[in-house]
Amino acid sequence: EAGVTQFPSHSVIEKGQTVTLRCDPISGHDNLYWYRRVMGKEIKFLLHFVKESKQDESGMPNNRFLAERTGGTYSTLKVQPAELEDSGVYFCASSRRGGNTEAFFGQGTRLTVV
Amino acid sequence: DAKTTQPPSMDCAEGRAANLPCNHSTISGNEYVYWYRQIHSQGPQYIIHGLKNNETNEMASLIITEDRKSSTLILPHATLRDTAVYYCIVRSPTDSWGKLQFGAGTQVVVTP
Repeated sequence: EAGVTQFPSHSVIEKGQTVTLRCDPISGHDNLYWYRRVMGKEIKFLLHFVKESKQDESGMPNNRFLAERTGGTYSTLKVQPAELEDSGVYFCASSRRGGNTEAFFGQGTRLTVV
Repeated sequence: DAKTTQPPSMDCAEGRAANLPCNHSTISGNEYVYWYRQIHSQGPQYIIHGLKNNETNEMASLIITEDRKSSTLILPHATLRDTAVYYCIVRSPTDSWGKLQFGAGTQVVVTP
């Protein structure tokens, strides 16, 4: 069984540009989560999808961030326009439905905005 | 407010058991204790979880005290590849994984 995969693994962009991160969850996992870790800080929640619906987007920092999960499969997180403070590692995780489940994380996308 | 308290760091000799403590004195009756680790900048890796009984899998053992206010993750034979930040997380089955708080974790360094 393939794990959670994220693409790209690294991205370096200039301030003001647009970047799109992709996450492919484990097949059959309805729940998909995005997190971010800024240098030196803790991992912070961004948003949660249940299938294609946004269940909770309370962690999204501002309207420059747009997440989608069309068809309830893979998800994209677009940052437009990128700012310097958006630099960090973006993690995606997925889990099955049900309470007593664990979340499986991808390897993350390291975003550097210069 | 953090639901768990862990020591910031600990060292362990290769081949020895690593015992990682976690305090969760305000844990509720339906909340599970989960352990994850993060090796360098990789994604968090699930290790083990439990409710009140001790649990063991191929990676580790989880010992939960009878009052459930604390627990210990045991890596039976630590290797250099176990060097990582270990996170103890308390979570209710009804909570979204988006609600979890990783906290600062314990930086474990396994030395030769």
